[in-house]
Amino acid sequence: DTGVSQDPRHKITKRGQNVTFRCDPISEHNRLYWYRQTLGQGPEFLTYFQNEAQLEKSRLLSDRFSAERPKGSFSTLEIQRTEQGDSAMYLCATGVSTEAFFGQGTRLTVV
Amino acid sequence: AQSVTQPDIHITVSEGASLELRCNYSYGATPYLFWYVQSPGQGLQLLLKYFSGDTLVQGIKGFEAEFKRSQSSFNLRKPSVHWSDAAEYFCAVGAAGGADGLTFGKGTHLIIQP
Repeated sequence: DTGVSQDPRHKITKRGQNVTFRCDPISEHNRLYWYRQTLGQGPEFLTYFQNEAQLEKSRLLSDRFSAERPKGSFSTLEIQRTEQGDSAMYLCATGVSTEAFFGQGTRLTVV
Repeated sequence: AQSVTQPDIHITVSEGASLELRCNYSYGATPYLFWYVQSPGQGLQLLLKYFSGDTLVQGIKGFEAEFKRSQSSFNLRKPSVHWSDAAEYFCAVGAAGGADGLTFGKGTHLIIQP
């Protein structure tokens, strides 16, 4: 399968713990996006990378959130000191233009 | 600021009947428009997109959408739905360049009656 891959698919964590998610893009896709989707809502943009450069960050991305794409390939999204409000599906999307291809997401549950 | 409105939270359609899902957008420049479908617990699959040119665009799975600039709409249609079309459908708008990502509507949940 050469689609966008996200790991893990599911994560349950206790409030206050740190979590990290990984996204592996489709090969040669230089653009990478992170979105968050809560129940009953559409995805909301969090951040955008072009190659290894983080070019845009939403105001939704509080200082507890950090994302990296160290070599312009895979990306990680870390949430520190998780809160119950962080429970959501975290989606990664990659592309070479405005069109984006989504991974299956990581569902985070904070208990 | 850009926004997308999908006025119908739920739509129920009989199998074999036609379908139209509504999408209205607000955008300051020429929009790039998308329809995605999401099955339970899954990511989003692109159905079709409009960037420019012919305002009637064809997508996968027999779907089509028509861009109407005067109405700021991009409605999704299918002439005959199948039970497997039951899913959540999202309309999205973005800019050329894509640095700000896509703005999505809240989605329309499609239920197919046998």
